[in-house]
Amino acid sequence: QVQLVQSGAEVKMPGASVRVSCKVPGHTLSELSRHWVRQAPGKGLEWMGRIDPEDGETVYAQNFQGRLRLTEDTSTDTFYMDLSSLNSDDTAMYYCVTGVVRQFVALDYWGQGTLVTVSS
Amino acid sequence: DIQMTQSPSSLSASVGDRVTITCRTSRSIGLYLNWYQQKSGKAPQLLIFGASNLQSGVPSRFSGSGSGTHFSLTISSLQPEDFATYHCQQSYNTLFTFGQGTRLEIK
Repeated sequence: QVQLVQSGAEVKMPGASVRVSCKVPGHTLSELSRHWVRQAPGKGLEWMGRIDPEDGETVYAQNFQGRLRLTEDTSTDTFYMDLSSLNSDDTAMYYCVTGVVRQFVALDYWGQGTLVTVSS
Repeated sequence: DIQMTQSPSSLSASVGDRVTITCRTSRSIGLYLNWYQQKSGKAPQLLIFGASNLQSGVPSRFSGSGSGTHFSLTISSLQPEDFATYHCQQSYNTLFTFGQGTRLEIK
């Protein structure tokens, strides 16, 4: 079992940026795919992007191109999501997720979620 | 992007019922289809990966089938703890996508 611990809730003004962290204690990040998924209130799940385990390359969903940056600090087993130019549509629960390396990649383990509220 | 369409969007059923939720994709994805269960106020949990492989710890009343563009999630005998929202997701394309979700409610 892999436990993911996310940073706390954030309230941001429109136009600001937010950083959410995800710590994976006791596991080597490079052995897992690392993803971010968000869910707006009352809506479905939206995959945002990932860091690949094989080479550390980042892949971003087209909706977030230019606004999203995924990074990691392997010394602390923590990965990060930075989202810029926030607007009210970015109000959502943000989940970090890790995937086991296998033929059929899936989103195996989920953090508890971090609520980001964008409001003036 | 690969578009995902789940049906129905919502479903009412009783304890003990057999229910099936379907997921169709805009193009063939082989077996690269996963299912998740999400209870109210909680993070989703992986149920099935690779169309039909049960995640460790998931009860055997859950099963998945299908390939190509048409997939199904079946719960053979609904239990009270199964009332939740179910999501399909494809991992065939490098850009993952989800279905819109199916809410399973108690009749």
